[in-house]
Amino acid sequence: QSVLTQPPSVSGAPGQRVTISCTGSSSDIGSSYHVHWYQQLPGTAPKLLIYDNTNRPSGVPDRFSGSKSGTSASLAIAGLQAEDEADYYCQSFASSRSAYVFGTGTKVTVL
Amino acid sequence: EVQLVESGGGLAQPGGSLRLSCAASGFTFRTYSMNWVRQAPGKGLEWVSYISSSGNNIYYADSVKGRFTISRDNAKNSLLLQMSSLRPEDTAVYYCAREVDTTIFIDFWGQGTLVTVSS
Repeated sequence: QSVLTQPPSVSGAPGQRVTISCTGSSSDIGSSYHVHWYQQLPGTAPKLLIYDNTNRPSGVPDRFSGSKSGTSASLAIAGLQAEDEADYYCQSFASSRSAYVFGTGTKVTVL
Repeated sequence: EVQLVESGGGLAQPGGSLRLSCAASGFTFRTYSMNWVRQAPGKGLEWVSYISSSGNNIYYADSVKGRFTISRDNAKNSLLLQMSSLRPEDTAVYYCAREVDTTIFIDFWGQGTLVTVSS
């Protein structure tokens, strides 16, 4: 039931900057609902990475940043590190269905 | 330390039932909304259900509506998910997930419990 579209994979060399897009619609991201991002390391539960479009919880490095515009959002990882290899998911809310919606997920590979 | 510990997963037959529990500790459970989120093997995250801190507001994903029931016991710091009419496509790791009331994001996840629906 994913309604938020993400690229399946992105990759970069250590130290590089990568971005992950999250595309929704006027029914979710475009309805002024915030976008949130989660990181899921292999074999573990997801972890909150960015909330309310741009905010980092305590303990999340400032290498991670988020933005939102219109019906889309982006997660940027600057200074890519080996430990950033994980799956990343965006999430918002679809008011017409009173449903939380996740993105399709993006696997980040550090070359 | 915040902890969410899921239990009750296992093997169920198609059409059968299973009841998942989530024991919460390390925070004031009654002040937080809660969610169930699942992840099929090798697949992405899928939101399943939400319940407000008081239990008065409940939402379900279309894929489980009419088959799953979410509930909570604030006196026992526990979250429940009663699953019935199970289908093979319900096979997944089910995560119990905490949400600061009305923020619509999950700030803490349990480690998950695996549900397998197969004959």
